[in-house]
Amino acid sequence: GQNIDQPTEMTATEGAIVQINCTYQTSGFNGLFWYQQHAGEAPTFLSYNVLDGLEEKGRFSSFLSRSKGYSYLLLKELQMKDSASYLCAVRGQAGTALIFGKGTTLSVSS
Amino acid sequence: EAQVTQNPRYLITVTGKKLTVTCSQNMNHEYMSWYRQDPGLGLRQIYYSMNVEVTDKGDVPEGYKVSRKEKRNFPLILESPSPNQTSLYFCASSFRGDHQPQHFGDGTRLSIL
Repeated sequence: GQNIDQPTEMTATEGAIVQINCTYQTSGFNGLFWYQQHAGEAPTFLSYNVLDGLEEKGRFSSFLSRSKGYSYLLLKELQMKDSASYLCAVRGQAGTALIFGKGTTLSVSS
Repeated sequence: EAQVTQNPRYLITVTGKKLTVTCSQNMNHEYMSWYRQDPGLGLRQIYYSMNVEVTDKGDVPEGYKVSRKEKRNFPLILESPSPNQTSLYFCASSFRGDHQPQHFGDGTRLSIL
């Protein structure tokens, strides 16, 4: 079967760094996406990885290891507005639908 | 402004009364999709469409219908809604290509009594 695992909840303080992990088991691999979703709002795209390594985009970075079926989203200099759910999504076979993890709810406190 | 527009945003209705949730995008995207989001279950795909007149079932298609007569529109139809279809629904669209990110609408919260 196909499965994506993320921690359910994480907490951190303003200014800190947090790493949200995602492990996946899929038939094939054609890319991994991270989305951010604030409560009651639509998911918004954060990053895409298809090759091993780190992709950096401002305060957010995403890492992928295809051999380990593992990715993480790294958030630096946390701000209160980063409190949200973070969704990991994998495309298994080419041209097929994204498979979403259940999301990690991050709470940032002052 | 580039966007995916869903209507209605909120609806409370009763079992068995047919309803349609509309979805329209103005980005000329080929790919469109419907998801439902439930607590503890995450986003699950209901139906998707790779282009006009092409639709396919996702993970949870039972009780739903879709159509794609025009590129910009992808309505979700509940012919005979039941309480287990109470959920938060999202429409999404993207250009074709495995690397293309999906753009989501603001969501439709449906309550079926």
